Amino acid sequence: KQEVTQIPAALSVPEGENLVLNCSFTDSAIYNLQWFRQDPGKGLTSLLLIQSSQREQTSGRLNASLDKSSGRSTLYIAASQPGDSATYLCAVGEGGSEKLVFGKGTKLTVNP
Amino acid sequence: GAVVSQHPSWVICKSGTSVKIECRSLDFQATTMFWYRQFPKQSLMLMATSNEGSKATYEQGVEKDKFLINHASLTLSTLTVTSAHPEDSSFYICSASVFSGSGSPLHFGNGTRLTVT
Repeated sequence: KQEVTQIPAALSVPEGENLVLNCSFTDSAIYNLQWFRQDPGKGLTSLLLIQSSQREQTSGRLNASLDKSSGRSTLYIAASQPGDSATYLCAVGEGGSEKLVFGKGTKLTVNP
Repeated sequence: GAVVSQHPSWVICKSGTSVKIECRSLDFQATTMFWYRQFPKQSLMLMATSNEGSKATYEQGVEKDKFLINHASLTLSTLTVTSAHPEDSSFYICSASVFSGSGSPLHFGNGTRLTVT
């Protein structure tokens, strides 16, 4: 059974700092990996999707990497801003379907 | 594009009553939608896969008679929590993708906060 772990559970940084969020998964036979942002009491916003054949994806200040063999992904946020404060969720897609297995998330606080 | 609308955003109901949650794809057709549940400080857990025109597929441990799913059209799926109990209080979120089975990004609704008193 696939398990997804995110470390740290919470992170507080000053504005402008670069930071890395970590995600690990137990079964490397994944279809894709997706990073989401969730604001309090809200739904999810898709940030980056990495297919299993890819190693990284970039969007603006965000860069996500994928190492299937080691079961790891990282989300790099450059020059963090207070507006980046949210919970970041990592989710693994399995077997060609669109079922996702989620981690518990990392709650990020960027202090002005 | 690819907007998923979920309604209501929050609902409070009494124990024993039923609650219906709607999930609509506003600008695309979704043959498959997914229903997740999230308890405080926990991961989102997939409850069921909703297939247009056919029966939903439920994950292990999810009672199909309690969580009724109807996917009558390509743009609407509904989740009905029947005979709700306080332990059903949770955050329910639906999702859909533009292209089924292709690994394309999933788009999520804003969720429904259900509180059962």
